[in-house]
Amino acid sequence: DAKTTQPTSMDCAEGRAANLPCNHSTISGNEYVYWYRQIHSQGPQYIIHGLKNNETNEMASLIITEDRKSSTLILPHATLRDTAVYYCIVRLNYGGATNKLIFGTGTLLAVQP
Amino acid sequence: DAGVTQSPTHLIKTRGQQVTLRCSPKSGHDTVSWYQQALGQGPQFIFQYYEEEERQRGNFPDRFSGHQFPNYSSELNVNALLLGDSALYLCASSLEWGNDYNEQFFGPGTRLTVL
Repeated sequence: DAKTTQPTSMDCAEGRAANLPCNHSTISGNEYVYWYRQIHSQGPQYIIHGLKNNETNEMASLIITEDRKSSTLILPHATLRDTAVYYCIVRLNYGGATNKLIFGTGTLLAVQP
Repeated sequence: DAGVTQSPTHLIKTRGQQVTLRCSPKSGHDTVSWYQQALGQGPQFIFQYYEEEERQRGNFPDRFSGHQFPNYSSELNVNALLLGDSALYLCASSLEWGNDYNEQFFGPGTRLTVL
């Protein structure tokens, strides 16, 4: 079973920031938080990951609470092309058998014009 | 640099038949994972191949089997197809020890319909 809970769906106006929450209250100390997204009819795409510090890359920012029980993915200026299902996943971060990803049902983000 | 490729794109089979799906990993990657995604659900892990061996397996019956070739490409075989096997089958590749987070790159998937 997935170790995360996310809202089923969210709306966001184009050009505004999209904030996608994720709860992972049972996360262990050596598990990372990963975010993937899946645009309709495509394979999932990696967005960002983090352990306990906030992270930022060219796609998004990841804010992890101090107790690590929840996190928020931020798309700073959402566009119509960001409409997708966003998956929050926790996993160990080294190669080998722990490499598998356990997906939940994710959050469908609909960016409105 | 080609990403992960999968073939065929779409496939229609009837119950009881057998099917083989193919995956070529991203250049330089040595690990291939397979996932099944039913309509409206997140992908479910089937199994993973590394060094031509099945390393880990999800909760799928023995009807699902696979193979990895010396060039790291992989096949997924499903025998005795059931209606419930209708899904999008995704292949993901990664590099065992290439970086600090072993990002998985997904292919576009094969849409299997069982009638």
